[in-house]
Amino acid sequence: QKEVEQNSGPLSVPEGAIASLNCTYSDRGSQSFFWYRQYSGKSPELIMSIYSNGDKEDGRFTAQLNKASQYVSLLIRDSQPSDSATYLCAVITGGGNKLTFGTGTQLKVEL
Amino acid sequence: DAGVTQSPTHLIKTRGQHVTLRCSPISGHKSVSWYQQVLGQGPQFIFQYYEKEERGRGNFPDRFSARQFPNYSSELNVNALLLGDSALYLCASSLLGTHTDTQYFGPGTRLTVL
Repeated sequence: QKEVEQNSGPLSVPEGAIASLNCTYSDRGSQSFFWYRQYSGKSPELIMSIYSNGDKEDGRFTAQLNKASQYVSLLIRDSQPSDSATYLCAVITGGGNKLTFGTGTQLKVEL
Repeated sequence: DAGVTQSPTHLIKTRGQHVTLRCSPISGHKSVSWYQQVLGQGPQFIFQYYEKEERGRGNFPDRFSARQFPNYSSELNVNALLLGDSALYLCASSLLGTHTDTQYFGPGTRLTVL
């Protein structure tokens, strides 16, 4: 079982729709959760961080964490073509700040 | 403020050679981590350094080594290059290197091994 799992996609949504990206993780001791966006040929850019159960909203983005189900998601409202990218879920377990990444979900927002 | 910088941007080497990649963290950040990202995969953790001390090491062979300097910049060294070392090497800096710290990634060094 992979430590962090994501559906590789591509996930296609029409412009203006809600995009829902999902991630599961295997280690119950995981304590910090991150969503990064990566455009083709570029480096990852932090979108959201979440540390406790529930929802966290920042503009058009909402991260949701359910530690009991070992599940974290990212919702993107009013999706724009500029949101087309690969979204990486990352988890920190234990001390330090070693990020364990999923393989990423490719999102395509179509006009 | 300048973000994380990495050099060189691109590098082409042949099998068996050695390579040194460099990273300068954001001013004030004391922790640097290195990641390897092969095409189609998420980044994979190689090393973390904080205050010049190694704080973590990923599942990479001893051909990979790193160090952090008093000015908090860092080098990643890879010896005896293999074709499979071809990847994007990412450096990330954070303030204190704790699990709640945001890690900011540099633009990466794309290494091609022929």
